[in-house]
Amino acid sequence: DQQVKQNSPSLSVQEGRISILNCDYTNSMFDYFLWYKKYPAEGPTFLISISSIKDKNEDGRFTVFLNKSAKHLSLHIVPSQPGDSAVYFCAASGAGRSGAGSYQLTFGKGTKLSVIP
Amino acid sequence: EPEVTQTPSHQVTQMGQEVILRCVPISNHLYFYWYRQILGQKVEFLVSFYNNEISEKSEIFDDQFSVERPDGSNFTLKIRSTKLEDSAMYFCASSEFRDYEQYFGPGTRLTVT
Repeated sequence: DQQVKQNSPSLSVQEGRISILNCDYTNSMFDYFLWYKKYPAEGPTFLISISSIKDKNEDGRFTVFLNKSAKHLSLHIVPSQPGDSAVYFCAASGAGRSGAGSYQLTFGKGTKLSVIP
Repeated sequence: EPEVTQTPSHQVTQMGQEVILRCVPISNHLYFYWYRQILGQKVEFLVSFYNNEISEKSEIFDDQFSVERPDGSNFTLKIRSTKLEDSAMYFCASSEFRDYEQYFGPGTRLTVT
C-alpha cells in the first residue's frame, strides 16, 4: 500500500543546475507534506514543508510545489551543490483512522540525488 | 542547534532478549515518535506519544513493544522478546506541536542474531 510514491530511485544533476525531485500521493486526507534529506548512517534531516492550503513554499535554494488536484508535489533545488548529494524522502501526514487526524508521517521510498561537480 | 540524540548507536542482541533503545528529544518538544527502517525499505511509523500516553500506534507496534518517558528528558522504546525481523534502524523523532515538522535522531541500528 504505497500512499506516498517516489517513482525515481535516483537522479543525477550537474552542479549549478536545477534538481527536481517528485512525489505523488494517493490519500486525499493528507494535508501536510515534508521533505527530508538523509545521509548514510544518519537520521532524516528536515528540509522544508508545505501545508495543503498553499501551493508553494520557498526556503533559500529549496522550493516545494504542491498540486493538490494532481496529488503531486515536487522539490526544486537551485542551484544544486555537491553537498546536496543524499537520499531525499517525501513524507505526508493528515490521514486519520480515528477521524481526529493523524500526525504520523508516511514516507516514500526515497530518491538518491547525485550532484556531479 | 538543539538536536535529538539516541543511544546506543548500534545494539546487537540475541533472539528472545529484551532491548531498550533510548532517546533524548529536543527539550521544548511535546510530541515524541518512534519509526523504523528495515534495510532497503521505507521508514515506517511505529508509535507517537504525548502527555505520558500513546496517542497513535501502527500495526507493527504489537504487545512486544512498549514506550516510556521515565523522566523529564528520556524517551525509551522497549522490545520485550526480540525476533530476527526486528533488525532495523530505529529512529526517534520529536516535534514541538502536533502539526509541526518532526526532527529525527541519528538512529540506533538493532541487529538481532
